[in-house]
Amino acid sequence: GAVVSQHPSRVICKSGTSVKIECRSLDFQATTMFWYRQFPKQSLMLMATSNEGSKATYEQGVEKDKFLINHASLTLSTLTVTSAHPEDSSFYICSARVSSLEAFFGQGTRLTVV
Amino acid sequence: RKEVEQDPGPFNVPEGATVAFNCTYSNSASQSFFWYRQDCRKEPKLLMSVYSSGNEDGRFTAQLNRASQYISLLIRDSKLSDSATYLCVVPQAGGSYIPTFGRGTSLIVHP
Repeated sequence: GAVVSQHPSRVICKSGTSVKIECRSLDFQATTMFWYRQFPKQSLMLMATSNEGSKATYEQGVEKDKFLINHASLTLSTLTVTSAHPEDSSFYICSARVSSLEAFFGQGTRLTVV
Repeated sequence: RKEVEQDPGPFNVPEGATVAFNCTYSNSASQSFFWYRQDCRKEPKLLMSVYSSGNEDGRFTAQLNRASQYISLLIRDSKLSDSATYLCVVPQAGGSYIPTFGRGTSLIVHP
């Protein structure tokens, strides 16, 4: 089946620094990718929808200047958490839409801001 | 009403038991539904899809009730390895597939 690779799987950074998370579709082209965030014991919340070659669409309440999304190619989308703070510590997961009815998920990135 | 709602549980059942949980959705136009399984700190993995009345795969049965706008997941002969969080996914309104997750239902199968 389709494979989505997300990197890094775990990152610890200092408050105020920026962190980049990569999401790659390995054996298919993904014109649309999704970025989610999951806090402990909560559901996966959609942060933004990333479309290749165009600006991402952010969900209400998600700061586009803080969470920079770049989808420059059909196989790579990146999420950069800028000026990270402890409250940004979370589990971030990307997903690539395979068809109109299906999406596959990356392994997730555990971000800890200290 | 939230777009997708699930009872968070946990559902605590012995091995061999049959357990079922539901997921209600608000978008009556939704055509496809999915159950994902998520183990602790791991990514969600597709368990089953439901496009019409239902779907069965081994010990797992998913059913759709359009009139009441819910889908259910039934697990027969529970195994210890079934312990996980089960996420219901419903596409957002508008036709293009944007997965919207329920909060998830926690299942614990004990010996």
